[in-house]
Amino acid sequence: GQNIDQPTEMTATEGAIVQINCTYQTSGFNGLFWYQQHAGEAPTFLSYNVLDGLEEKGRFSSFLSRSKGYSYLLLKELQMKDSASYLCAGRRGGKLQFGAGTQVVVTP
Amino acid sequence: DGGITQSPKYLFRKEGQNVTLSCEQNLNHDAMYWYRQDPGQGLRLIYYSQIVNDFQKGDIAEGYSVSREKKESFPLTVTSAQKNPTAFYLCASSIDRGGGPEQFFGPGTRLTVL
Repeated sequence: GQNIDQPTEMTATEGAIVQINCTYQTSGFNGLFWYQQHAGEAPTFLSYNVLDGLEEKGRFSSFLSRSKGYSYLLLKELQMKDSASYLCAGRRGGKLQFGAGTQVVVTP
Repeated sequence: DGGITQSPKYLFRKEGQNVTLSCEQNLNHDAMYWYRQDPGQGLRLIYYSQIVNDFQKGDIAEGYSVSREKKESFPLTVTSAQKNPTAFYLCASSIDRGGGPEQFFGPGTRLTVL
């Protein structure tokens, strides 16, 4: 199976750091994506990891460990506009399988 | 500007009616996808197409149909056989058949069946 698990909701203060974990069963996936989705809008691409390690892109970083079936998205210097749902998705061939998303609430 | 368009943004239909959702892309992408999203849930794959005149069922294809007669267009029909069609429908495309490096999404159509 390829279940993707991530926490339902996380709350953090403006300016802080939040880490969103994503775990999956290791068989079959050949890449791990993170998307951001604001309420009522389409998901937008944040990051993609195909090899183990950390990918940094501005305030956002993503980490992958394929042997452990584990990824995380790190959001630094949180801003109010970062309040959104963050979707973890694994790629298998030409398809993506999405987790249920983690709702991040940023408070003043 | 290149991108993916979906129309309409909001759609209301009576129970028992078929309805077709439009998806057009001018990114010259080979692959296109349809997803369904219910409140508080992730995206579930309905159908996908990796090349013109070919498409495959996703995880929840029952009650839906698609066509891919042109590279830029991938319409989705929600039939009366779909038991719970009210949802947010998202169309996406990717540059190649491998689904990567990422999928680009249209703005979505929110379908409400009364």
